Amino acid sequence: DTGVSQNPRHKITKRGQNVTFRCDPISEHNRLYWYRQTLGQGPEFLTYFQNEAQLEKSRLLSDRFSAERPKGSFSTLEIQRTEQGDSAMYLCASSFDNEQFFGPGTRLTVL
Amino acid sequence: RKEVEQDPGPFNVPEGATVAFNCTYSNSASQSFFWYRQDCRKEPKLLMSVYSSGNEDGRFTAQLNRASQYISLLIRDSKLSDSATYLCVVNPTGFQKLVFGTGTRLLVSP
Repeated sequence: DTGVSQNPRHKITKRGQNVTFRCDPISEHNRLYWYRQTLGQGPEFLTYFQNEAQLEKSRLLSDRFSAERPKGSFSTLEIQRTEQGDSAMYLCASSFDNEQFFGPGTRLTVL
Repeated sequence: RKEVEQDPGPFNVPEGATVAFNCTYSNSASQSFFWYRQDCRKEPKLLMSVYSSGNEDGRFTAQLNRASQYISLLIRDSKLSDSATYLCVVNPTGFQKLVFGTGTRLLVSP
């Protein structure tokens, strides 16, 4: 399968715990994006990388959130001190041009 | 005002019907426009790009009116498999973030 992959697919955690998600983009894609989607809403942009450089961050990305793409390949999104409001689907996408391809997402539930 | 606005629906139509979705966007400098399809609990998938000249892909026709900041999607001869949420998407600055509408839910019944 040469699509975007994300792990884990589901994560249940207790409030206050830290969680980390991984995204592996399509191999030749130099751009990588993170989005968050809650029930009944469209995905909302969180952050964007071109190669290893993080070029844009949404104001939705509070200081509890951090994303990295250390070698310009896979990316991680970490949420520290999770809150119930962080419960959502976290989607990763990658692109070479202006067409973004999405991974299956990581569904986070914070109890 | 939201950057991209859509009627959330649901639109309930019988098989074979023609259905149209509309969307408006607020940033007049937006560069590119798309319709994505999202099935329940799945990731969004690109349905088609939208051009000022209008474009058609089989039963699907998309139109863009830059003057009115309005995007439309027409589905002809609806199939049961067309049941999904259709997301209107705007790329305001080029290669960077996509801005999604809330989506319009379509239910096609036998």
